[in-house]
Amino acid sequence: EADIYQTPRYLVIGTGKKITLECSQTMGHDKMYWYQQDPGMELHLIHYSYGVNSTEKGDLSSESTVSRIRTEHFPLTLESARPSHTSQYLCASQTGWDTGELFFGEGSRLTVL
Amino acid sequence: GQNIDQPTEMTATEGAIVQINCTYQTSGFNGLFWYQQHAGEAPTFLSYNVLDGLEEKGRFSSFLSRSKGYSYLLLKELQMKDSASYLCAPMDSNYQLIWGAGTKLIIKP
Repeated sequence: EADIYQTPRYLVIGTGKKITLECSQTMGHDKMYWYQQDPGMELHLIHYSYGVNSTEKGDLSSESTVSRIRTEHFPLTLESARPSHTSQYLCASQTGWDTGELFFGEGSRLTVL
Repeated sequence: GQNIDQPTEMTATEGAIVQINCTYQTSGFNGLFWYQQHAGEAPTFLSYNVLDGLEEKGRFSSFLSRSKGYSYLLLKELQMKDSASYLCAPMDSNYQLIWGAGTKLIIKP
């Protein structure tokens, strides 16, 4: 069983709101990821981190920010939500800094009206 | 560029065997993962291949040919719960996973 948790699981908000999606893992993994996925589509990398105080941009990073102050915590913030942000957001952590399987959280399903 | 090619959808019968093929092109290669994803859920790890050959794990086996940029996932004794999407994800030279849309597998009784 993977110990990686995301909150909220579901969120409906209005356009222009600032939101933070939380992700925590208790496995002590250094590398963590945020992905966005629409139904039936591929995962798109938003941000990732190699460890504390490390954050890197993925392909969809321009409208969001992340922080990594503690190993176990990797929150994702959207400063101003838009309807185009409606999607499933998946957080994952990796057993090794290079290879190693990814463990995913259950996801946060965001709807922006 | 980097890309993954898998069939969009496959149908198989309960109790049968199915092979899901994947061809890939990546900038460098550091192994290939297969993940299972049920509708509305997060992906879960199935297998990892870094050397050529077949890796067997219970009802699931995964094969890799690095020279051909080819992998397959073999599922035996299919069960209804195997209905899901199967994602082939090679890892590139930067140790980033490259994700395709996956193959949706439908199991019929």
